Order: sequence, then C-alpha cells, then structure tokens
Amino acid sequence: AQSVTQLDSHVSVSEGTPVLLRCNYSSSYSPSLFWYVQHPNKGLQLLLKYTSAATLVKGINGFEAEFKKSETSFHLTKPSAHMSDAAEYFCVVSDRGSGTYKYIFGTGTRLKVLA
Amino acid sequence: DSGVTQTPKHLITATGQRVTLRCSPRSGDLSVYWYQQSLDQGLQFLIQYYNGEERAKGNILERFSAQQFPDLHSELNLSSLELGDSALYFCASSALLNTGELFFGEGSRLTVL
Repeated sequence: AQSVTQLDSHVSVSEGTPVLLRCNYSSSYSPSLFWYVQHPNKGLQLLLKYTSAATLVKGINGFEAEFKKSETSFHLTKPSAHMSDAAEYFCVVSDRGSGTYKYIFGTGTRLKVLA
Repeated sequence: DSGVTQTPKHLITATGQRVTLRCSPRSGDLSVYWYQQSLDQGLQFLIQYYNGEERAKGNILERFSAQQFPDLHSELNLSSLELGDSALYFCASSALLNTGELFFGEGSRLTVL
C-alpha cells in the first residue's frame, strides 16, 4: 500500500543555516512526488515536483529535493533558511495503486526559523 | 495566485445550521478535491469529483455532501453543524485524475459557535 512518512513533525533552524525536511514513501509503481508549503491561514502552495525526469528537483524560493529510489526518500533541502520560510510543509505522493491514482499526504512538518 | 477560488473566506454560524462552501477550479481543470484541516486532525481528504462525477470519498461525514456542476464549479454542503466541524476547508483542482500537481484555493474558514 502507498504511504508517506514525514519523519519530523517539528524542525527548528537558525536563520542562515541549512534546512532538511525528511520524507519517505512507499509505492508499488513509479510515483510522482510533491512538496507543498502552507503559511498560516493560507492555502497550500506547490514548492516542487518530481515526475520521473531528473532526480534532483529545484523548486521555488531556493528549495530543492532529491528523489532516491533505493532509499524511497524525497527529502527537501535549502542551503540557507530565511525567516519567511517558517511554515508547514507537506510531502505528497501521487501513485497508482489498485488500478487508480490517488494522492497521499504526509502529516506535515512545521518549520520554525530562529533569528 | 493558484487560480482556484473559494467563497466565502470566513463563515461564522451556530450549531445545527447548514452552510454551503463554493469552489471554482482552475480554468480547464476537471478534478476537484475537498479537504478539511483542523488542529487536532490535520489535513483530511473529504471527497473528489471528476467532470461532474464523484470519484472518491475519504473521511466525509454523512452530514456533509458535495457536488460538481456542469460548469465544473463545486459546492460542499455541511449540515447539522457541530462545534467540531469548525475547521479550514480547502478545495483543490487538477487537470487530470489524481495525477499532476494539485492547485489549492485559499480555503474557507468555518467557525461553529
């Protein structure tokens, strides 16, 4: 069965230091993977997506993620955190299981950026 | 701007009442998804429509119903409201069925007093 696990519910970093938000997935097929960001009281905004092209995906606002099939991971990184990155981040898989595609959402990681 | 429009943005009502939330998907998108987000339960998938037909149901209560109209906009009806229904309700759309990226609206915040 498909599943998505975001390994940390909360992450705190200092401004200017690297960000790592971890996501592992379980899939029987070739999934599409997404990271979304949600700022307080806002909708979810797409940061980046992997759809079986390059395994290193660059997104908006300096974020990137690497698809590692052998590790079934799709971790989100950013070299230098900014205060405006403080938000909740969701890892999402679109996968074909039991004959139909469906979206599976992780439980979210809340990123706190310290001044 | 995602291109997905939700109305109203905020709604305050009383227990036992009924409300309707509206969603206009991105131009050309055939799939519409409804999600509920609350502090204690996180983001929950409610229901999905594709080109006017219901395609998948998630954790949607029997007091809730939805439909997608021929012009592809969708409405989520919530009835016999309870305090626990207070949440942010999101609509999302995608061009295809359960694949490709999802585009989310800004949400409708429902407060039940």
